[in-house]
Amino acid sequence: DGGITQSPKYLFRKEGQNVTLSCEQNLNHDAMYWYRQDPGQGLRLIYYSQIVNDFQKGDIAEGYSVSREKKESFPLTVTSAQKNPTAFYLCASSRTSGGDNREETQYFGPGTRLLVL
Amino acid sequence: GNSVTQMEGPVTLSEEAFLTINCTYTATGYPSLFWYVQYPGEGLQLLLKATKADDKGSNKGFEATYRKETTSFHLEKGSVQVSDSAVYFCALISPNNQGGKLIFGQGTELSVKP
Repeated sequence: DGGITQSPKYLFRKEGQNVTLSCEQNLNHDAMYWYRQDPGQGLRLIYYSQIVNDFQKGDIAEGYSVSREKKESFPLTVTSAQKNPTAFYLCASSRTSGGDNREETQYFGPGTRLLVL
Repeated sequence: GNSVTQMEGPVTLSEEAFLTINCTYTATGYPSLFWYVQYPGEGLQLLLKATKADDKGSNKGFEATYRKETTSFHLEKGSVQVSDSAVYFCALISPNNQGGKLIFGQGTELSVKP
């Protein structure tokens, strides 16, 4: 079955520690996205990538970093610079990234919940 | 800038009641509009979408019509079930795109009682 997988489901971070969240898709999608969800709020975009080896900052990129070395994978690192990392992190992908992609549906993974010890 | 506003929740209904969740948006031009649903502890699933004015999206008994004149995309269902209990998000992708970024409303929690 095609889809998006995220791991781990729960992640605990200690003070000053960097942690990496995994996102893998086998949908052959070009575009991938990372969103952050806080309780009672909508999702906010952290980073996005429209093609391998390229990515752009979203609305709340400070304290996060990403890489896109393979089409299938878009890992997110939460660095020690992110002072309030506790949230639910969702990865998404969509088929195309070029031109007018307003009609493209984004498909979401099951999410990773990050908690601070 | 572009934004989405949803009615506040939680919304509590009895089974078989009629559901409306209001959604209005601010955007220049013609955005694409989406409703996503999130069940407890899970990611988001696309419920329906509409990409141009007067389009009606529908799925699993839910419907929403893209109203350009009122900048709205209200979600409706004629008879809700307990299994519809979830958080519903209205979202848009703007005409100037920003890489296909989805702009979300804050979500509306629906609870359906037997």
